[in-house]
Amino acid sequence: GEDVEQSLFLSVREGDSSVINCTYTDSSSTYLYWYKQEPGAGLQLLTYIFSNMDMKQDQRLTVLLNKKDKHLSLRIADTQTGDSAIYFCADSSASKIIFGSGTRLSIRP
Amino acid sequence: GAGVSQSPSNKVTEKGKDVELRCDPISGHTALYWYRQRLGQGLEFLIYFQGNSAPDKSGLPSDRFSAERTGESVSTLTIQRTQQEDSAVYLCAKQGAGGANVLTFGAGSRLTVL
Repeated sequence: GEDVEQSLFLSVREGDSSVINCTYTDSSSTYLYWYKQEPGAGLQLLTYIFSNMDMKQDQRLTVLLNKKDKHLSLRIADTQTGDSAIYFCADSSASKIIFGSGTRLSIRP
Repeated sequence: GAGVSQSPSNKVTEKGKDVELRCDPISGHTALYWYRQRLGQGLEFLIYFQGNSAPDKSGLPSDRFSAERTGESVSTLTIQRTQQEDSAVYLCAKQGAGGANVLTFGAGSRLTVL
């Protein structure tokens, strides 16, 4: 069945860029998403990319999609303490939306 | 509003009891999803509804779990004879009507089985 995988933890220094990576297995993906979950809060959509695009930029966020390798990444420029959260990659195919296990991003001063 | 309402927000129950968790997508959307999130873990797909039908029930962990949806609106997730491993936050989400299939999540129902 479909699977989405992410590394569990990432620690970066404040002001540096964060890069969170994700791989997926579904060949029929139409959209891929990044959701953010802050402590004690629900999941909120950060950004998404259509599967025929390679890149999408939205202010400090850059999404890169390598469809051949089924690899998705999220780059957060100038990481701030408010970016501390769990970031979930998700994959939408014809049948359902599957989430990865989430990457916990922590920021060091 | 445009949100998703889930109830109860918190439920503590004894092992072996049945529980019902409710999701109201408020403005009504065609597709509705249920996920489970155990403490410190990711989202586990349970089931999704297209209208009142569930094309994919593959994520339901066992036959103690069932879900229904009526009027293309409110959905209920029922867990019978609860076990301690059922303790988790149960998240409901509605899918946007636009082309990007974006999900809007409710705040979740936290279930604790003693």
